[in-house]
Amino acid sequence: ELQLVESGGGLVQPGGSLRVSCIGSGFTFSNYAMSWVRQVPGKGLEWVSGISGPGATTYYADSVKGRFTISRDNSRNTLFLQMNSLRAEDTAVYYCAKDDISAAGFTRPDCWGQGSLVTVSS
Amino acid sequence: DIQMTQSPSSLSASVGDRVTITCQASQDIDNCLNWYQQKPGKVPKLLIYDASNLEAGVPPRFSGSGSGTDFTFTINSLQSEDIATYYCQQCYDVPFAFGPGTKVHIK
Repeated sequence: ELQLVESGGGLVQPGGSLRVSCIGSGFTFSNYAMSWVRQVPGKGLEWVSGISGPGATTYYADSVKGRFTISRDNSRNTLFLQMNSLRAEDTAVYYCAKDDISAAGFTRPDCWGQGSLVTVSS
Repeated sequence: DIQMTQSPSSLSASVGDRVTITCQASQDIDNCLNWYQQKPGKVPKLLIYDASNLEAGVPPRFSGSGSGTDFTFTINSLQSEDIATYYCQQCYDVPFAFGPGTKVHIK
């Protein structure tokens, strides 16, 4: 069974840093591109960042470019999102999602994690 | 950046009704358009990919059509379990924008 499990969310002060992780199981992790999507509670979905299966290609939304870094450790079936210089508007549930191709993109995300809440507040 | 719009923002329909949601892209995205269902408190679920392809396991009452800039999502014979917010999303170019969503209620 395909499964993605996020961890690492929590409360952080404005300007602070946090890293969220996502462990995949039930599939060959390195074969598939992965993305992060966020959702402010009660609001819509926003694609944040994506990475190719091998990890060589990454993409970012303008709202997080220069502050967030996506990476992956295929030996540990784990996706990361390092978030620096956090702002109140980054408060959201962060979902990881698996694509069905290796190339970086957001073509057919067929499996999503349960989400990890990140709250940026003093 | 490609902008996505959806209409209506919400709708109310009766069980058994046919429901149609439209999505428009600010530029040509070929057929690179996905549709998602998100039930309250749940994770988004992919229903349609490449504008018209039904994801495995999704009931055939859901369908999609369109290409270029104009797309349509249809629920034939609305069921009570279809209460959710539906989002379109373009997969053509970074950033992979979502539409603002359409909330579907039962009348």
